[in-house]
Amino acid sequence: NAGVTQTPKFRVLKTGQSMTLLCAQDMNHEYMYWYRQDPGMGLRLIHYSVGEGTTAKGEVPDGYNVSRLKKQNFLLGLESAAPSQTSVYFCASSYAATRAGFFSYEQYFGPGTRLTVT
Amino acid sequence: GQQLNQSPQSMFIQEGEDVSMNCTSSSIFNTWLWYKQEPGEGPVLLIALYKAGELTSNGRLTAQFGITRKDSFLNISASIPSDVGIYFCAGQLPGGTSYGKLTFGQGTILTVHP
Repeated sequence: NAGVTQTPKFRVLKTGQSMTLLCAQDMNHEYMYWYRQDPGMGLRLIHYSVGEGTTAKGEVPDGYNVSRLKKQNFLLGLESAAPSQTSVYFCASSYAATRAGFFSYEQYFGPGTRLTVT
Repeated sequence: GQQLNQSPQSMFIQEGEDVSMNCTSSSIFNTWLWYKQEPGEGPVLLIALYKAGELTSNGRLTAQFGITRKDSFLNISASIPSDVGIYFCAGQLPGGTSYGKLTFGQGTILTVHP
């Protein structure tokens, strides 16, 4: 049981190049999320998905696209990379657990992808 | 958007000391989570809290869900060098449309000197 995995672990892009980050989870979770982490900014939600075939915008979606063609995979794409997208990207997954009379969603994170755009 | 104020931003302590950190919000949450992130790794869930006033322990870590539901606290007793990392609080807003989205604090950077 690997949990949440992310590939690649590191990547360097030139401005204008494109790439796709892959997130995979083997916990059969319905919900998946993409975050970026920048110094002093905490974790900011880029996009999320509530199930296979669905995606929605988070707090900072501009410049990114996502797809969830299979339940276990959540892809994050950068069509034209910019230096402002230099960051560490984390994927997470969760499921709706019944706690104290409501649904709670404990998120489990992958190890991250460190992206540098020059 | 929602904001969580986490303090302190950083702490430098001696091994063996106790540590306290907290998060406050202007909004009510129905779940509080505490995560630890070690260098080069993703955040790992430490403790989850679901009821106002709840006190939950995980080894030397103890967290509390504030009575007002707008705050949470994390204490680490008898710190050791492997406690080093960034500690994040996260809250989940009530309501069925949150889809599990969490609001994160800015993190507390903990350094432990042997």
